[in-house]
Amino acid sequence: AQSVTQLGSHVSVSEGALVLLRCNYSSSVPPYLFWYVQYPNQGLQLLLKYTSAATLVKGINGFEAEFKKSETSFHLTKPSAHMSDAAEYFCAVGTTGNQFYFGTGTSLTVIP
Amino acid sequence: EAQVTQNPRYLITVTGKKLTVTCSQNMNHEYMSWYRQDPGLGLRQIYYSMNVEVTDKGDVPEGYKVSRKEKRNFPLILESPSPNQTSLYFCASLSRDRGSGYTFGSGTRLTVV
Repeated sequence: AQSVTQLGSHVSVSEGALVLLRCNYSSSVPPYLFWYVQYPNQGLQLLLKYTSAATLVKGINGFEAEFKKSETSFHLTKPSAHMSDAAEYFCAVGTTGNQFYFGTGTSLTVIP
Repeated sequence: EAQVTQNPRYLITVTGKKLTVTCSQNMNHEYMSWYRQDPGLGLRQIYYSMNVEVTDKGDVPEGYKVSRKEKRNFPLILESPSPNQTSLYFCASLSRDRGSGYTFGSGTRLTVV
């Protein structure tokens, strides 16, 4: 079975600083990788997805993620944090079957 | 608008009083799932359904029931709720194109006292 590890349950950045949220998956290469964002009192919203077309994936709100097979990673980045980016972020792996595996989430705080 | 609709959004109940959380999707998705979200544990799958009348246990099914009589609906039933079922619950659906990812409902915050 797959496993997904998100390093850092809480990350704080200053407004305008680089955002880096880390995600590692277990060694077998998954077909699908996702990042979801959860704003307070809302459901999870798809931020971006990797489906083997390109290793650098661009998502909504200026976020992007790079799939690195050698590092089994799919880290999420944004060059300049905005106050509205404060939310919980989840990395997820999808299989060719129906199984999805979620990380435990990273709460992003943006400091003015 | 393509969406997954859950009701209610908030629910406070007492131990042992049966309750149902409804879930409906308008995307004609075959695959639906229930998750619970708890601090530090992320999302854990409770039950899933691959199609009408086909359901199976996820990682944490104890204390829950589901049914799938129609493609669009997938209610979650707690026959005898207990305080350890206090959580945030999400229904989600998935198209045949797994690469699209899940579409999630807005969540149901359940408190069992």
